[in-house]
Amino acid sequence: GAVVSQHPSRVICKSGTSVKIECRSLDFQATTMFWYRQFPKQSLMLMATSNEGSKATYEQGVEKDKFLINHASLTLSTLTVTSAHPEDSSFYICSALPTPASYEQYFGPGTRLTVT
Amino acid sequence: GIQVEQSPPDLILQEGANSTLRCNFSDSVNNLQWFHQNPWGQLINLFYIPSGTKQNGRLSATTVATERYSLLYISSSQTTDSGVYFCAVSANQAGTALIFGKGTTLSVSS
Repeated sequence: GAVVSQHPSRVICKSGTSVKIECRSLDFQATTMFWYRQFPKQSLMLMATSNEGSKATYEQGVEKDKFLINHASLTLSTLTVTSAHPEDSSFYICSALPTPASYEQYFGPGTRLTVT
Repeated sequence: GIQVEQSPPDLILQEGANSTLRCNFSDSVNNLQWFHQNPWGQLINLFYIPSGTKQNGRLSATTVATERYSLLYISSSQTTDSGVYFCAVSANQAGTALIFGKGTTLSVSS
């Protein structure tokens, strides 16, 4: 149980285009999901907290207009990287908190974004 | 915010050796998880251990919440244990994101 999927697993896009990444909890509902970014040989950094039915909360330094987050259902959150640039190339990982409120988080397999 | 420090940053072992990875955190937590990140980037959930001791095969973990540290033990290491081990914690509120340490990179050679 407690499986989280991400789609796509890998994407290459041209500079200036937008890319959407989906995060799904497959066998549980998640009121809260989180988006992290990981650069090569670094740790995971929290980008934003996504709550179903409300606006996401972004960490300091993360542009909310560039990284659009939508959490429209209890099993799906999406991250859209708008007007992508090469510096946005990274590994994006989501996690989900089961509902009712739980402390243990479950992570997706990640999406590797390359912007050319 | 909470600070998470992991040590050592790098560890090189011969197959069959035992090792201990440490995670120190700066404040009280309600969640502590240990992960192994495989070469493809997937985070493998090893332990959910905000306190106490757990064992799973060759791996075990102990968290002493009052002293704000956790230890991950790997016994009889195998080459497949290689990778990055992360400790992550969240503060005393439900629905709070995990804060990750910088990780310990383990290399096990045959």
